[in-house]
Formats: sequence, C-alpha cells, structure tokens
Amino acid sequence: GEQVEQLPSILRVQEGSSASINCSYEDSASNYFPWYKQEPGENPKLIIDIRSNMERKQIQELIVLLDKKAKRFSLHITDTQPGDSAMYFCAASERNAGAKLTFGGGTRLTVRP
Amino acid sequence: EAAVTQSPRNKVAVTGGKVTLSCNQTNNHNNMYWYRQDTGHGLRLIHYSYGAGSTEKGDIPDGYKASRPSQENFSLILELATPSQTSVYFCASGEGGSGNTLYFGEGSRLIVV
Repeated sequence: GEQVEQLPSILRVQEGSSASINCSYEDSASNYFPWYKQEPGENPKLIIDIRSNMERKQIQELIVLLDKKAKRFSLHITDTQPGDSAMYFCAASERNAGAKLTFGGGTRLTVRP
Repeated sequence: EAAVTQSPRNKVAVTGGKVTLSCNQTNNHNNMYWYRQDTGHGLRLIHYSYGAGSTEKGDIPDGYKASRPSQENFSLILELATPSQTSVYFCASGEGGSGNTLYFGEGSRLIVV
C-alpha cells in the first residue's frame, strides 16, 4: 500500500514568517493530496487539497505544491500567526483505492509571537 | 457540516477484555473509517467501509474487527484488548470516491491497563 513520509515532525517559526512542510509518497497511482489541521484536543479538519492534474493551489495564506515526477508535495503557510499553531497532516489517496487515505506522521507547528 | 459522533469518548479497559468503540454519522455518507493516532505515527487506518454490510481491512487491522450494520453506524471491536492498543481512535465519514473530504469525530481515548 501507499506510504507517506512527512517532515519535519516539529517546526517552530516566528510570527509573520513562512512555514513549510514537506511530504513524499511512494505510489505513482496516488492522485489526491489533502492537508488536515488538528488543533490541540480537537479532531483533524481539511484545510486545503490538490489533485494530480494541478501543480499549485493557493487558498489565502496556504499554498500547496505538487511535483508528481518526484512524488513530493508540500504545504507553505505564509505570514504565520499564532492561530496557525497546530498539528498538520498530509495524506495521499490512490485513484483505484476507493477513498482510502494514507496519512503522513504529522508536523507539530508552533508559531512564536 | 458533517456530524460524526463517537462513544465512549474515554475508556479504560483491562488487558484481555472486550472493547467496542461506536461511531454514528448523520450525513448519509457512504464511506466510514477508523483510524488510530499515536505520536510519531500520525493517523493509521485500521478498518473502513463502503456502506452498510461492508468492512475492509486498512493498513493495521490485526487485533481489530469492524462492523457496519447500517449507513449511519460503524463500530470498532477489540475482542482481546492489549496495552499496545492504548491510543486515540478517530472515526471519520466521507462521500466516497477519490478526492473526498473526511469528516472526523471527536476521538475516543482508550487506555488498556
């Protein structure tokens, strides 16, 4: 099955700077790559996603990039705020695996005021 | 917004005992999932279902069974609980198909002593 590696596991940045999280996957059949945010004590929630027919997607301060050739995708948060502090998970879904999502190990982001 | 509710939210079980985690969703989603969350491992898929009567093995099914008696309900069963199954368990639902959003429940914290 699919394997997703996520780095770094811990990320600390200063408020106003950018934060980047990188993920890699193994199965070239994967075609959907969502990102979930989990605030302390809460459940994960979808914040942005990208499909394999795109290379870049932006929603406000969130940018996701996809490099299918390298089998890598990344999340970039520009102008970070303390409210961005949370756990972030990347995931990959195979085209023919129904809606089975394989998640990365997570990144704990802390934004220092 | 999707409503996925889990019970119990907290449970302490003894080694060798039987544990049932229940999940109910009110959005008429076809797919339901059980993940466990452990530090360093992210979210790992245990079992999932495409609809009533269907259960599929995820990436770490050993020691777990699942039951989907109806569209709304999906249970995770630990017949003989072990301390290694101490974790936070999340149920999720989704419409199905590649690229669908998962809606997670609030999580069930299980401690096996």
